Amino acid sequence: AQKVTQAQTEISVVEKEDVTLDCVYETRDTTYYLFWYKQPPSGELVFLIRRNSFDEQNEISGRYSWNFQKSTSSFNFTITASQVVDSAVYFCALSEALNTGFQKLVFGTGTRLLVSP
Amino acid sequence: DAGVIQSPRHEVTEMGQEVTLRCKPISGHDYLFWYRQTMMRGLELLIYFNNNVPIDDSGMPEDRFSAKMPNASFSTLKIQPSEPRDSAVYFCASSPSSSSGGKSDEQFFGPGTRLTVL
Repeated sequence: AQKVTQAQTEISVVEKEDVTLDCVYETRDTTYYLFWYKQPPSGELVFLIRRNSFDEQNEISGRYSWNFQKSTSSFNFTITASQVVDSAVYFCALSEALNTGFQKLVFGTGTRLLVSP
Repeated sequence: DAGVIQSPRHEVTEMGQEVTLRCKPISGHDYLFWYRQTMMRGLELLIYFNNNVPIDDSGMPEDRFSAKMPNASFSTLKIQPSEPRDSAVYFCASSPSSSSGGKSDEQFFGPGTRLTVL
């Protein structure tokens, strides 16, 4: 069965520090997708990125970057020059193909990031 | 472009009462999902619909939970009777299908309903 592990329960940094959130996954599927979602204190889940298992290129979006390494089954997320507004719980997720054809999302337990001024 | 809409945002009820949570998915999305988030179990998929038809309800915890989708723009999750252990945040999400040019696993979440059962 698919599994997503976010070993870091909580990380505290000071503003402007770089921080990396780890995500390790397990799957038997050859084609799968990986996601990161952000859940700020207001509670909603905000989609950040979707990555296809065939695309191992790292991606950068502003201060956010993602490092996908199939060899280690990891999909880590780095925030450069963190800001207080980055404080949130971040979830990594993996799609699981069901026999209905639907891709079910399996979520990790989340990493709470606290950025202090 | 409105996102997924959920109501109410907060619900406090007493044990034994019926609770109905509502969701309006993004227009044009073929899939609708109900999730529950608790500290103990994290985010769990309860049930999902495709074109208004329930496909997989294996995540529904008990018979006290039921979900309906009478049309493409509305779904309900009902708990009857409610119990204190049902206290959680319930999310509704929707996604387009690949046949409509979307990515069927790119799910867009609503703001959630925080349910407290006393």
